[in-house]
Amino acid sequence: DTGVSQNPRHKITKRGQNVTFRCDPISEHNRLYWYRQTLGQGPEFLTYFQNEAQLEKSRLLSDRFSAERPKGSFSTLEIQRTEQGDSAMYLCASSLYWGGTDTQYFGPGTRLTVL
Amino acid sequence: DAKTTQPNSMESNEEEPVHLPCNHSTISGTDYIHWYRQLPSQGPEYVIHGLTSNVNNRMASLAIAEDRKSSTLILHRATLRDAAVYYCILSPEGTNAGKSTFGDGTTLTVKP
Repeated sequence: DTGVSQNPRHKITKRGQNVTFRCDPISEHNRLYWYRQTLGQGPEFLTYFQNEAQLEKSRLLSDRFSAERPKGSFSTLEIQRTEQGDSAMYLCASSLYWGGTDTQYFGPGTRLTVL
Repeated sequence: DAKTTQPNSMESNEEEPVHLPCNHSTISGTDYIHWYRQLPSQGPEYVIHGLTSNVNNRMASLAIAEDRKSSTLILHRATLRDAAVYYCILSPEGTNAGKSTFGDGTTLTVKP
């Protein structure tokens, strides 16, 4: 396995601009998660997919955030009209879930800075 | 979601064992206990998980209290590369498995 990859690794944008991040999970992993992490805190759950279906969205995820996983493989997270409060590390994780518990494998993250 | 409580920070000397505690008094019968760690500038990394019995793998051991209200991650010989933030989380069994709440974890400092 090559691991979970995320692109870009860093993104600097101006307030009000739209940004899109990509996550490529481990091959054949059926679940994909998005988290947000700010400095000094643990990851906060945003949303997750099983195959192409988005099963849950956190209430932290405002209408400006949208995520897709169109073919059940890679996923994109888009933030519209970015605000300074969106500055954070955005983490993606994938897992192979067949029932029971779920062990996640994380990517290196995309660090977003909104000026 | 059931919550966990961990000390903010711990220190250890290199090559000595480290015991990282976690309290989870509201754990339910189907919650698994997972540990992840996050090295500086990296995403979290899976360490170990268990349900009721103690578990060992190449990275660490997990000791689970008989009443399951607490657990301890054991690093048998700490190295400088073990310096990280360690997260203890509860992961429910079933469809919601993986939808877990991370706290702020324990920052482990390893002294040479």
